[in-house]
Amino acid sequence: NAGVTQTPKFRILKIGQSMTLQCTQDMNHNYMYWYRQDPGMGLKLIYYSVGAGITDKGEVPNGYNVSRSTTEDFPLRLELAAPSQTSVYFCASSYFPWESDNSPLHFGNGTRLTVT
Amino acid sequence: AQSVSQHNHHVILSEAASLELGCNYSYGGTVNLFWYVQYPGQHLQLLLKYFSGDPLVKGIKGFEAEFIKSKFSFNLRKPSVQWSDTAEYFCAVIGETSGSRLTFGEGTQLTVNP
Repeated sequence: NAGVTQTPKFRILKIGQSMTLQCTQDMNHNYMYWYRQDPGMGLKLIYYSVGAGITDKGEVPNGYNVSRSTTEDFPLRLELAAPSQTSVYFCASSYFPWESDNSPLHFGNGTRLTVT
Repeated sequence: AQSVSQHNHHVILSEAASLELGCNYSYGGTVNLFWYVQYPGQHLQLLLKYFSGDPLVKGIKGFEAEFIKSKFSFNLRKPSVQWSDTAEYFCAVIGETSGSRLTFGEGTQLTVNP
């Protein structure tokens, strides 16, 4: 199993450009998440999905959109990039409800995005 | 709403020193608690978790954490740190009414000097 795969690893965007961060998992997990990580702020939940066709907002959804057309894929879209979206983005997946011996979240390796 | 606070944002230790990282959460009901570690340039990995039962939880690499319900705390400990423990550590909580949404603390950067 590859686990959770994110692409690209790095990206530089100009203000106002758009892009899609890709995330795919091969563990047949029903739940998927997008977090952003900023220094001293921990991880903040952007969007999550409890299954194909179902998405919901997290703590910081403004400026982002998601879709979940398949169990495996959960892309994150930035329509009009802003400097405030400079961050490291992590995709994660889990099987829910959790069994007591499972890791609650499996993370991808992250995408470092810079908006200038 | 649930929240997590990590008191120390940057800790610097020498090898073989003992470690304790503080974590306090805010939530009135039943919680599940976690510690994640992020080594430089890598993604988050689970160190240990508390779901129920013995409040003293042992994780990987010699780490342990104690859940003290009366203090809303879940501090991470290690008796003797190594240079390879240099990383960022995140405490996370999920309450029984939060579905699957983990809330993370701000993180603590641990630097271990050889």
